[in-house]
Amino acid sequence: GAVVSQHPSWVICKSGTSVKIECRSLDFQATTMFWYRQFPKQSLMLMATSNEGSKATYEQGVEKDKFLINHASLTLSTLTVTSAHPEDSSFYICSANHPLNEKLFFGSGTQLSVL
Amino acid sequence: GDSVTQMEGPVTLSEEAFLTINCTYTATGYPSLFWYVQYPGEGLQLLLKATKADDKGSNKGFEATYRKETTSFHLEKGSVQVSDSAVYFCALSDQGFQKLVFGTGTRLLVSP
Repeated sequence: GAVVSQHPSWVICKSGTSVKIECRSLDFQATTMFWYRQFPKQSLMLMATSNEGSKATYEQGVEKDKFLINHASLTLSTLTVTSAHPEDSSFYICSANHPLNEKLFFGSGTQLSVL
Repeated sequence: GDSVTQMEGPVTLSEEAFLTINCTYTATGYPSLFWYVQYPGEGLQLLLKATKADDKGSNKGFEATYRKETTSFHLEKGSVQVSDSAVYFCALSDQGFQKLVFGTGTRLLVSP
């Protein structure tokens, strides 16, 4: 089946630094990708919709200047957490929309820990 | 807004035991309902879905019935295997597969 690759799978960084997470669709072109975040014991929450060649659409309450999303090609979307703080520590996961059947395929997630 | 509530885990079972993971939802419209599974080190995968009331989704021995009267979509399997150990997410959407609203996920641990 279709594969979405997400890297890194885990990252530890110092407060104030920026962290980039990559999401790649390996065997299909995805015009739309989605970024989710899950805090401990909470639901997986949609952060933003990433559209190739245009600006991302952010969900209410998500700071677009803090969570920079770039979808420069049909197979790659990146999420950059800028000036990370401990409260940004979370599990981040991406998904890509398959153009033929419109099913969603998910990456394996990135656990971010900010010290 | 729409929301999904599922039972906290972990759920610990012995092989061949019966499994139920409860899921209830709140939605203003008539959403589609999904169960996703995440095996260790892998992405979420669609396990089964139901798009209207009384529909039963089934796959790999798992099944769930869309109950509009109780706003529920409980996941069941008659006899679990060690290989079923994973995290299970209940979800809904008013827009097909897009804009999914997830529950918290329930970890299932099956011992031999």
